[in-house]
Amino acid sequence: SQTIHQWPATLVQPVGSPLSLECTVEGTSNPNLYWYRQAAGRGLQLLFYSVGIGQISSEVPQNLSASRPQDRQFILSSKKLLLSDSGFYLCAWSVRPMLRLATEAFFGQGTRLTVV
Amino acid sequence: AQSVSQHNHHVILSEAASLELGCNYSYGGTVNLFWYVQYPGQHLQLLLKYFSGDPLVKGIKGFEAEFIKSKFSFNLRKPSVQWSDTAEYFCAVGRSNYQLIWGAGTKLIIKP
Repeated sequence: SQTIHQWPATLVQPVGSPLSLECTVEGTSNPNLYWYRQAAGRGLQLLFYSVGIGQISSEVPQNLSASRPQDRQFILSSKKLLLSDSGFYLCAWSVRPMLRLATEAFFGQGTRLTVV
Repeated sequence: AQSVSQHNHHVILSEAASLELGCNYSYGGTVNLFWYVQYPGQHLQLLLKYFSGDPLVKGIKGFEAEFIKSKFSFNLRKPSVQWSDTAEYFCAVGRSNYQLIWGAGTKLIIKP
């Protein structure tokens, strides 16, 4: 069966420090991968998605970047964190559909990031 | 603007009451529709989904949802809720560019 691992679960970082959140998927090949940010009362905001190694689409311009160095690895990064980067970040994967119509996503446990 | 709307941000019910959570979207064209649930301290889980066919879909734990194309709605229902249904519920719409667009969520509290 497929599993998704996201770490760390919680992270406290000072302003101006770098960030690296990692997500890996097991048990599937060629998944679509996603980074979301979940804010209370505002649902999930898609930050980045990837349909293949090295292919990253950014939905919201901001202080973050994403990379996909391997088929089942997705990394969320920042060179210098801002206070406003605090939040709950979720990694997800989905089967790549024949058409481009989004199918169900499967989520990791999330990372609670606090920038101090 | 194109969006997914969940009209109730907080719902409080007693056990055995019936539940209906509203979801409306404003996208034209073909979409996939989803309801997810997030129990306290747990990750998001898929409750049910609609791709095509019978507009009444059944999911896990006794939940069902009805797709009404003319109303751009996909409301979630359960005839009799339990205390364990206390959670946050999210509606999502799958569009033609791999994206899932999310509603703001509805926090459901079931009083024992």
